[in-house]
Amino acid sequence: EPEVTQTPSHQVTQMGQEVILRCVPISNHLYFYWYRQILGQKVEFLVSFYNNEISEKSEIFDDQFSVERPDGSNFTLKIRSTKLEDSAMYFCASQQGAFEGLFFGSGTQLSVL
Amino acid sequence: RKEVEQDPGPFNVPEGATVAFNCTYSNSASQSFFWYRQDCRKEPKLLMSVYSSGNEDGRFTAQLNRASQYISLLIRDSKLSDSATYLCVVNRGGSQGNLIFGKGTKLSVKP
Repeated sequence: EPEVTQTPSHQVTQMGQEVILRCVPISNHLYFYWYRQILGQKVEFLVSFYNNEISEKSEIFDDQFSVERPDGSNFTLKIRSTKLEDSAMYFCASQQGAFEGLFFGSGTQLSVL
Repeated sequence: RKEVEQDPGPFNVPEGATVAFNCTYSNSASQSFFWYRQDCRKEPKLLMSVYSSGNEDGRFTAQLNRASQYISLLIRDSKLSDSATYLCVVNRGGSQGNLIFGKGTKLSVKP
């Protein structure tokens, strides 16, 4: 069964450092997303990406965040200068068609020290 | 009113029991509705979409009441493997992929 792949599974970084989280969405999917989940809290939307551009972003997704689809398969989330409160599980998701269910990767646990 | 509200549980049921979860949502413009399950520290997994006419997938039945802004999930003949947190999810009205997640209802199925 096709799946969304995320790397790394864990990332530890120092406050102020840049991190790049990587994702390979399901190959025939058209819509791509990043969500995050702080421990014990609900899953929160960060950004959606379609047709090589951001289609929507939340207030969490400020100037420190960026996304890129550098080639036909990878989809990345960059946090330019990490803060302690960025510590969370970051999930990439992809979707085949509009208004269909999203399929999530297994996540990257980001710890900012 | 919270955007998506669920009883956090936990629901502790014996194997073979029938259990029902409910969820309410606040945005009447929402158009897409889903149930996801999430195991501890894992990704949400799509369980089923929810349609106005109601839909069934094996032991799972989902219902949607748009007038009351209410979604339900019924699990029949519970298995040990059904133990998880069940997330009620709706799209933010007007947005097809900006999903709002409930905090989830924890289910524990005991032998």
